[in-house]
Amino acid sequence: NAGVTQTPKFRVLKTGQSMTLLCAQDMNHEYMYWYRQDPGMGLRLIHYSVGEGTTAKGEVPDGYNVSRLKKQNFLLGLESAAPSQTSVYFCAIGYGGVEQFFGPGTRLTVL
Amino acid sequence: QKEVEQDPGPLSVPEGAIVSLNCTYSNSAFQYFMWYRQYSRKGPELLMYTYSSGNKEDGRFTAQVDKSSKYISLFIRDSQPSDSATYLCAMSAYNNNDMRFGAGTRLTVKP
Repeated sequence: NAGVTQTPKFRVLKTGQSMTLLCAQDMNHEYMYWYRQDPGMGLRLIHYSVGEGTTAKGEVPDGYNVSRLKKQNFLLGLESAAPSQTSVYFCAIGYGGVEQFFGPGTRLTVL
Repeated sequence: QKEVEQDPGPLSVPEGAIVSLNCTYSNSAFQYFMWYRQYSRKGPELLMYTYSSGNKEDGRFTAQVDKSSKYISLFIRDSQPSDSATYLCAMSAYNNNDMRFGAGTRLTVKP
């Protein structure tokens, strides 16, 4: 997972709380992605960005917002967390929908 | 019905066995077919990818794509305990950032 870091590694939230997950890269990639991984569901794309200042919706965007103010960072926000958002969140960088490099993940529990 | 179906296993084989992992899909627009490997509590890493139909070999790993049947496979020859991981198939359409993943198959190779 070299080149992609995620902060924090673990977090427990109460329903209704907000938080921001940070993804940082040192590989100068234009494309960055946020996924969630749930048992039996595989990885699902939440939002992605094809460059600084741009964002786009993926397969499961509801309940999340993102920002890419700097090329190196991609932020994922949960404004009002729900138990259904309990998941492992992965950030990735890469070359479109083929080769992507994933970070180590953030384990989020919403009580 | 999910766009990408993958048997979650678990699959347990003895060291040295040939392993066959498979996925089926329903979206005929998919052109890129990937296999990612994910060790426990780590992010996925790309093993190999294939464009359109055909076979691709990389060391002990062979990927096959049959677009007419919407069926892809990954074969692992001479399996090793270090191959124990979850294997995720993934697919995307041409010029599309939205990769669709299978649920993953958990493989254990016993010494």
